[in-house]
Amino acid sequence: EPEVTQTPSHQVTQMGQEVILRCVPISNHLYFYWYRQILGQKVEFLVSFYNNEISEKSEIFDDQFSVERPDGSNFTLKIRSTKLEDSAMYFCASSEGTVGKYGYTFGSGTRLTVV
Amino acid sequence: AQTVTQSQPEMSVQEAETVTLSCTYDTSESDYYLFWYKQPPSRQMILVIRQEAYKQQNATENRFSVNFQKAAKSFSLKISDSQLGDAAMYFCAYRSPPNSGNTPLVFGKGTRLSVIA
Repeated sequence: EPEVTQTPSHQVTQMGQEVILRCVPISNHLYFYWYRQILGQKVEFLVSFYNNEISEKSEIFDDQFSVERPDGSNFTLKIRSTKLEDSAMYFCASSEGTVGKYGYTFGSGTRLTVV
Repeated sequence: AQTVTQSQPEMSVQEAETVTLSCTYDTSESDYYLFWYKQPPSRQMILVIRQEAYKQQNATENRFSVNFQKAAKSFSLKISDSQLGDAAMYFCAYRSPPNSGNTPLVFGKGTRLSVIA
């Protein structure tokens, strides 16, 4: 079964450093998403991406965050200057279409620890 | 904005028994989609079951079924013949109708299910 692949599985970074989280969505999917989950809390939407541009973003997705699809297969989330409160599990997801019936396929997540 | 509420932070069930996880949501929309996701200790998010609001028939997937009460805005998940592998965090999620663009999923806070051997 096709999978969404995320790398790395765990990243530790110093506060103030830049991090890039990588995702390879399912090949025929067109819609991409990043979510995050602070430990013990609910999953929160960050951003959705389609046709090489952001479709929607949440209040969490401020100027410190950016996304891009540099080579047609990878989908990356960059945090420019990490803060302690950015420590969370970050999930990439992709979808075949916007219609809700497709649901999402999530990756296994990247656990980001900011120290 | 839509909200999803899961009022049971934790539940437990004996192996082979049946358990029901509750979910309510708030929306003014008439057409939408509802989902249950499972998050085992590996932290991966796995789609368990989905329901389209315009369908009156409750969705089923093997041992998993839902009780969708549109008027009450309730979407509970029933797990029959519970297995040890069902132990996980379960999240209820809502998605707006298809003509509202690339809208995100809105998640509840989750219910942690323990299965007792």
